[in-house]
Amino acid sequence: KNQVEQSPQSLIILEGKNCTLQCNYTVSPFSNLRWYKQDTGRGPVSLTIMTFSENTKSNGRYTATLDADTKQSSLHITASQLSDSASYICVVSASRQAGTALIFGKGTTLSVSS
Amino acid sequence: NAGVTQTPKFQVLKTGQSMTLQCAQDMNHEYMSWYRQDPGMGLRLIHYSVGAGITDQGEVPNGYNVSRSTTEDFPLRLLSAAPSQTSVYFCASSGIGQGHSPLHFGNGTRLTVT
Repeated sequence: KNQVEQSPQSLIILEGKNCTLQCNYTVSPFSNLRWYKQDTGRGPVSLTIMTFSENTKSNGRYTATLDADTKQSSLHITASQLSDSASYICVVSASRQAGTALIFGKGTTLSVSS
Repeated sequence: NAGVTQTPKFQVLKTGQSMTLQCAQDMNHEYMSWYRQDPGMGLRLIHYSVGAGITDQGEVPNGYNVSRSTTEDFPLRLLSAAPSQTSVYFCASSGIGQGHSPLHFGNGTRLTVT
């Protein structure tokens, strides 16, 4: 069964600290892996998309890594800010074609405190 | 550029009532979809469309209808609301083939069925 598991479920860190969120998946075939940020009361916003051949991708203070062999991804947030408080969702695509091929994780809720 | 616009933002229905959730995008995206988001669960696909006149069912289609008469609009109809349909509904769109294109989400409609 295609699954995306995220850990931890929730995380509290101090402003300015770094953190790493984990995503493990059992999805086949694999097309790409995406990270989304979802602020409270808003829709998810895309942070990165990585294909099989990419193992690191950055978007500002966000850096995603992908190990396609172990089927693991991580999202590293550097020098956290209060505005980073959100849910971070890992999504794996099982196909390049549009349709039902996106498998969503349940998300990690990050709280950044001052 | 408005992106994906959903209306209404909030709605309360009584069991058995019907209603339509509106979704419009101005990015000329071929692919549009509806998801529901429930506490403790990942986003689940209800229905999707790969172009005007074409719709298909997702993971949880029962109790919902869709149509796609134009590229811009993709309304979701609840035929006879049930308490199990209490959820937050997100509309999303992306370029052709979905492929490696990110999904663009609206900010959701929070629906309560009493």
